Amino acid sequence: AQRVTQPEKLLSVFKGAPVELKCNYSYSGSPELFWYVQYSRQRLQLLLRHISRESIKGFTADLNKGETSFHLKKPFAQEEDSAMYYCALITGGGNKLTFGTGTQLKVEL
Amino acid sequence: DAGITQSPRYKITETGRQVTLMCHQTWSHSYMFWYRQDLGHGLRLIYYSAAADITDKGEVPDGYVVSRSKTENFPLTLESATRSQTSVYFCASSESPVEKLFFGSGTQLSVL
Repeated sequence: AQRVTQPEKLLSVFKGAPVELKCNYSYSGSPELFWYVQYSRQRLQLLLRHISRESIKGFTADLNKGETSFHLKKPFAQEEDSAMYYCALITGGGNKLTFGTGTQLKVEL
Repeated sequence: DAGITQSPRYKITETGRQVTLMCHQTWSHSYMFWYRQDLGHGLRLIYYSAAADITDKGEVPDGYVVSRSKTENFPLTLESATRSQTSVYFCASSESPVEKLFFGSGTQLSVL
C-alpha cells in the first residue's frame, strides 16, 4: 500500500534548537514527496517538495530511498515555526496527494 | 489565496440531513480535491476530480457525493449526515498534483 507515516503527533523544542520532523513512506517506484504546513489561522500551504531541492524558511528535506524517509529539518527553530506539518506523497498514478497524519511542532521560548 | 473559496465557513446540522459544501476556484485549475481533517487521522482524501465531469474516489468516500459540471466548482454533498462526519473539510485545487495544491480556508461541520 502507498502510504505516509509521521510517527510523532507532537514535537516540542526550544527556540534555537535543531528540529527534525520525521516522515517515512511506502511506495514502489520513484516517490514524489512534499511537506505542507498549516500555521495558526492560516490556510494549508506548500512548504517544499523534494524535486525542487530548495530550502524554504530555513527548512530542508532529503529523500533517502534506502530508509524510505523524507525527514524535514531546520538547524535552529524559531517561534514562528510553530505549526502543523504534513508530509505528503503523490499516489494514484500521479493523480492524487496522500497526506500523513501530521506533526504539531511547538517551539518554546 | 482568495482564488479558492469555500462556503459555508461553519455549519451545524442534524443526523440524517443532507448538507452541501461548496468550493469555487478562479484559476481554471484542472484538479480539485476534497479532504477531511480529523485529529489522529490527519488529512484524508474524500474525492478528487482531474477535470470537469471526471471524478474519482479517495480514501474515505462513503456517505459523500461530488459533482463537477463546471471546472471552477466542486461541491461536496453529504447525503444523510452522520455524527462521524463531524470534521473540518478542505477543498484544494491545482494544475497537477505534482504542482502546488492551493487550499481553501475550510468548512467546520458539526453533525448533532
